[in-house]
Amino acid sequence: DVKVTQSSRYLVKRTGEKVFLECVQDMDHENMFWYRQDPGLGLRLIYFSYDVKMKEKGDIPEGYSVSREKKERFSLILESASTNQTSMYLCASSLWTSGPTGELFFGEGSRLTVL
Amino acid sequence: AQTVTQSQPEMSVQEAETVTLSCTYDTSESDYYLFWYKQPPSRQMILVIRQEAYKQQNATENRFSVNFQKAAKSFSLKISDSQLGDAAMYFCAYRSAEGAQKLVFGQGTRLTINP
Repeated sequence: DVKVTQSSRYLVKRTGEKVFLECVQDMDHENMFWYRQDPGLGLRLIYFSYDVKMKEKGDIPEGYSVSREKKERFSLILESASTNQTSMYLCASSLWTSGPTGELFFGEGSRLTVL
Repeated sequence: AQTVTQSQPEMSVQEAETVTLSCTYDTSESDYYLFWYKQPPSRQMILVIRQEAYKQQNATENRFSVNFQKAAKSFSLKISDSQLGDAAMYFCAYRSAEGAQKLVFGQGTRLTINP
């Protein structure tokens, strides 16, 4: 079974802190994604990566950066956390495919509270 | 840019009955994929069912089926014989058949099953 592991389920940080959210997948997937989930807004894509050291901005990249130094690991970085970044963060991975079979496999989520 | 809309923030159904969750999307593309994902309380998001836009036949997975209306850009999920374990957030998602393999999600529908 595919496993996507997010390093922290719950985090509480102070405004201005640098925050690292780590995600590791064990199925050699090329694609990795970071989504943010907020009530009434669904999932919104922050960044994604289709290869090591490659990254693409999603719909809401402002205030975030990412790092993918190894294929299995995709990190989300909040350079200076703000209260409006309080949210649930979901990491996902998928195989690179031209067909419909490239389903996303998700981690359990990291709930971040910024005070 | 593609958008996905789920107009029902919450739905409820009696156990063993049938419920339909609505989803509409907006795209100018002719080839794409549509998905329904389920997020149980405090658990990982998982794929429920997928549909390829070039296939006219509606996808079915056991008690789950879709009504795909391409011209109307509608993609509803029908759950038959609802079970308590079906209680979850359900997200409709869209993916282009070409280019970046990111998914665009709707706002989600919270489904409650009444015993």
